[in-house]
Amino acid sequence: KAGVTQTPRYLIKTRGQQVTLSCSPISGHRSVSWYQQTPGQGLQFLFEYFSETQRNKGNFPGRFSGRQFSNSRSEMNVSTLELGDSALYLCASSLQGRDTQYFGPGTRLTVL
Amino acid sequence: QQQVKQSPQSLIVQKGGISIINCAYENTAFDYFPWYQQFPGKGPALLIAIRPDVSEKKEGRFTISFNKSAKQFSLHIMDSQPGDSATYFCAASMGYALNFGKGTSLLVTP
Repeated sequence: KAGVTQTPRYLIKTRGQQVTLSCSPISGHRSVSWYQQTPGQGLQFLFEYFSETQRNKGNFPGRFSGRQFSNSRSEMNVSTLELGDSALYLCASSLQGRDTQYFGPGTRLTVL
Repeated sequence: QQQVKQSPQSLIVQKGGISIINCAYENTAFDYFPWYQQFPGKGPALLIAIRPDVSEKKEGRFTISFNKSAKQFSLHIMDSQPGDSATYFCAASMGYALNFGKGTSLLVTP
């Protein structure tokens, strides 16, 4: 089976812009979670989607949003980018959510 | 507030030695404790995981020891190899979100 894929792999934006990241889960997986990884804060949970519904949300501002499509693919959007949003954004998929999460390679976002 | 505390931050071990990484948690509702390995430029990959009904789980050279009363768990890497050089993260979960430790950078010297 193909693993979790994320596009794009690298992205450079300027402050104030918005960005959309995409994640394709492993075939058959219905749960998709998003995490932000930074050197200072480590890996932090953003949100989790299952069957197109957000089931869980981490402690991030409303500028961070996401959605899931009927084929389980997911997108996350960050609006009004700030310098502190520079991070590696990781997507993870699992069958139902409460089982093993498999991570993609991440999207490296740099905000200038 | 960091829900999972991990130590040490970095670790240097000679080839063939034992690498030990420790984690502690506060929330007794956590019921799933995985360890992830991450190489530069890659996403974290699941190494081994344990649930609180067992005190130890071994897979190859990797062993998780779990102490429910102390709210601590640790990863032991036996016969450490240079290829094990990576960042290791412990995590804890009670549902859908993984709460990660800050990570341990392991270097195994030849």
